[in-house]
Amino acid sequence: GAGVSQTPSNKVTEKGKYVELRCDPISGHTALYWYRQSLGQGPEFLIYFQGTGAADDSGLPNDRFFAVRPEGSVSTLKIQRTERGDSAVYLCASSLGLGDSNHGYTFGSGTRLTVV
Amino acid sequence: KQEVTQIPAALSVPEGENLVLNCSFTDSAIYNLQWFRQDPGKGLTSLLLIQSSQREQTSGRLNASLDKSSGRSTLYIAASQPGDSATYLCAVKGGTSGTYKYIFGTGTRLKVLA
Repeated sequence: GAGVSQTPSNKVTEKGKYVELRCDPISGHTALYWYRQSLGQGPEFLIYFQGTGAADDSGLPNDRFFAVRPEGSVSTLKIQRTERGDSAVYLCASSLGLGDSNHGYTFGSGTRLTVV
Repeated sequence: KQEVTQIPAALSVPEGENLVLNCSFTDSAIYNLQWFRQDPGKGLTSLLLIQSSQREQTSGRLNASLDKSSGRSTLYIAASQPGDSATYLCAVKGGTSGTYKYIFGTGTRLKVLA
C-alpha cells in the first residue's frame, strides 16, 4: 500500500481481556517495527522483524506481549490479560531493509489502546 | 546503552522567529539520525534523515545538522509559522551494539503563536 496502515485506530478493552493490533506495512518493505508511546513520552521500542522472523524482541515488557508476522508482510501484536498500564498508543513502522543501515522509518498512525 | 535527550522540552515562540531544537545522544557510533514531527493524536511524520557520513540535510525551511563525534544534532526551523506547532522527535539508529532499531528522545513541544 501507499503507507503503513494500522487497525483499529482506537481500541477500548476491559482489564484482563485479550487484544490484537494489526499493522500492514508498505509493500516491499521487509523490516517492520513495533513501538509503544505513552503520553508525553517518546516512542519506546518493542520488537522488530526482518521478513517473518523477530530479529530483536528485547523491548517486549513481559510474556503477555507477543507479535507475529507469518508471511513477512502483515504483523499482529497480541496482548494477553491486558492491564491498565498497557494503555498507550501502539505504533508500527516499516523500512526497506533491516540490514541496510541507511534507511529511515515510515510510521503508521497508531492504535490507541485504552484498558478500563 | 544509547540514550537520547532533547532540549528544550517545550518552546513557545511568536510567528516568524527562527528557532533551534537540540538533540544529544550518548553513543556516537550511529548509522543515521532521523527527525520526526508528531501532531496531537497522530502518528510520526519523517522530516529529515541524516546518514552518519553527512553533516546536514535541508528540506524547505528545515535544516538538520549532525556532529556525530560530539553526539549532537540540531533542527533549525526558519521563519516559523503557526502550522509548525507540533512535537518534534529525534531518533538515532545504531550505536556500538550495531542495533537497527531507533532510539527516541522525549521530544520538544513547539507552539508558534500567530
